[in-house]
Amino acid sequence: KQEVTQIPAALSVPEGENLVLNCSFTDSAIYNLQWFRQDPGKGLTSLLLIQSSQREQTSGRLNASLDKSSGRSTLYIAASQPGDSATYLCAFAGGNNDMRFGAGTRLTVKP
Amino acid sequence: DTGVSQDPRHKITKRGQNVTFRCDPISEHNRLYWYRQTLGQGPEFLTYFQNEAQLEKSRLLSDRFSAERPKGSFSTLEIQRTEQGDSAMYLCASSFGRTHTDTQYFGPGTRLTVL
Repeated sequence: KQEVTQIPAALSVPEGENLVLNCSFTDSAIYNLQWFRQDPGKGLTSLLLIQSSQREQTSGRLNASLDKSSGRSTLYIAASQPGDSATYLCAFAGGNNDMRFGAGTRLTVKP
Repeated sequence: DTGVSQDPRHKITKRGQNVTFRCDPISEHNRLYWYRQTLGQGPEFLTYFQNEAQLEKSRLLSDRFSAERPKGSFSTLEIQRTEQGDSAMYLCASSFGRTHTDTQYFGPGTRLTVL
């Protein structure tokens, strides 16, 4: 059962470009939604957490938005850099005692 | 380093062998989670502990899997009679709070390869 969908699965952009990663979820009763970064073969690093009562969160060049009614979240990355190359995962905490993850978007930023 | 640590980072084993992984959470974190991540997929929940009590297990956690968290500190995940399908990254996360909605901090993972 696919509860979290991330589009696109992979994205390649030139350095300096602004980009948007998309996440959609089927469970409307979420408590929060979180974006993570994962480098190859490594664990997850939390980037932004949006509580269900919030619309967006910002950290540096990153901005995440949440629209519970439509079941969507976006991660906006401004002025992308080669160091941003990684897989970006979104996950929500819903009615179950766990987090549900998408499969991720693999981002490559070319110098 | 005060983050979540996992040991070993890599494990290669032959089919049918038993393996055990260890996770040391951030000190004072009362909740501890285990996830499994296969190539190209997001992590999938396996089980979690509130202090030393194992409160929930996913249907992914077959009878060959067992997890413990004695004394509510570190946790171990054991896989008996490993199968090739068990090859994956096993991630541990910890949090402080009463529910799964609190921020979870992830360890670097243990990559298991079953030959």
